[in-house]
Amino acid sequence: GQQLNQSPQSMFIQEGEDVSMNCTSSSIFNTWLWYKQDPGEGPVLLIALYKAGELTSNGRLTAQFGITRKDSFLNISASIPSDVGIYFCAGLGETSGSRLTFGEGTQLTVNP
Amino acid sequence: EAQVTQNPRYLITVTGKKLTVTCSQNMNHEYMSWYRQDPGLGLRQIYYSMNVEVTDKGDVPEGYKVSRKEKRNFPLILESPSPNQTSLYFCASSSRGPTDTQYFGPGTRLTVL
Repeated sequence: GQQLNQSPQSMFIQEGEDVSMNCTSSSIFNTWLWYKQDPGEGPVLLIALYKAGELTSNGRLTAQFGITRKDSFLNISASIPSDVGIYFCAGLGETSGSRLTFGEGTQLTVNP
Repeated sequence: EAQVTQNPRYLITVTGKKLTVTCSQNMNHEYMSWYRQDPGLGLRQIYYSMNVEVTDKGDVPEGYKVSRKEKRNFPLILESPSPNQTSLYFCASSSRGPTDTQYFGPGTRLTVL
């Protein structure tokens, strides 16, 4: 099936720093989603992207749908301790119908 | 309160003993889905359902069955569990499809000995 490569796998940063993570695929995706999972909880949707080149913000979070339709990026500005968690990209491939594929996740640790 | 519930939350069982994990949502959502989460692999979709009596395979359907006889319920069935099905399982639902906001259940941690 479709595969998404997410990087980095983990990040350790200081409070106040900006964070960038990305997701790439060898095939074309029609929709990109970014989720956050807190410890012991299910994922929560942060941002959804539907068009190539689209740039969408949600507070301190900004995500972009790559123009090649094979990648997406998530940026977090001025990180705070509650940003700690696992961030997942997910997408709907061009040929996968309604089957959703997730990346492996980026574990973010923010030191106060 | 709008929510997705899963039962049981924790289960330890033995190889070959049939089990069912229930999932129920009270939001009248059409789309429901099951995922498994394993360290380093993220979430992988097992099965999904676009509406009552409509189910489709996700990326890792082998060894699992589902049914969608009612809109609110989407049980996950393991006919003959094996140790490689030890995992954390999440059920999720959304209004119409996977790109709508999916609401996830609290998770079921399954151990197969």
